[in-house]
Amino acid sequence: NAGVTQTPKFQVLKTGQSMTLQCAQDMNHNSMYWYRQDPGMGLRLIYYSASEGTTDKGEVPNGYNVSRLNKREFSLRLESAAPSQTSVYFCASSELAGRTDTQYFGPGTRLTVL
Amino acid sequence: RKEVEQDPGPFNVPEGATVAFNCTYSNSASQSFFWYRQDCRKEPKLLMSVYSSGNEDGRFTAQLNRASQYISLLIRDSKLSDSATYLCVVNAPMDSSYKLIFGSGTRLLVRP
Repeated sequence: NAGVTQTPKFQVLKTGQSMTLQCAQDMNHNSMYWYRQDPGMGLRLIYYSASEGTTDKGEVPNGYNVSRLNKREFSLRLESAAPSQTSVYFCASSELAGRTDTQYFGPGTRLTVL
Repeated sequence: RKEVEQDPGPFNVPEGATVAFNCTYSNSASQSFFWYRQDCRKEPKLLMSVYSSGNEDGRFTAQLNRASQYISLLIRDSKLSDSATYLCVVNAPMDSSYKLIFGSGTRLLVRP
């Protein structure tokens, strides 16, 4: 039982390049999330998927797209990377997007955009 | 104003000390409250939920004051392994579900 896994762990991109961050969970959770974490700031929600087949914008969706491929997998795509997207990206999952649900996080992807 | 505010610290305490962290939140519609722990360069992990009546888990005690929109975490008998960043987290309604709002964290260093 691996929990939430993310690939890659590290990535360096040049401005304008594209890439997809992969996330998978094996806990049979319905809801999945993508966050970014920047120094001195809390985690900020980029996109979420309350259930398979649905995706919605979070607080900071600009410059990103997501795909809920199936119940297990939720990917985040940067179409044209910018230096402002340098950050640590965390994927998380929870049983439901409910009031008291605990979110479980993956180990993160450290992205640098030059 | 940030939706969840915490003192960034660091709090530097000796082993065995008692230390308390505070957090304030701005959304009066928040209904669930949590403390997460984040080790350096690792992912956040749930430490404990915070209930209205206050709750304790071993050396950790969490309190909630809804009237003042204030949450606290008390750690007794600090261990070296408690060194980490503690994130105050509250939920808020979002569309037909809820989102979590994270504070930027309070850093704790426990020294020998």
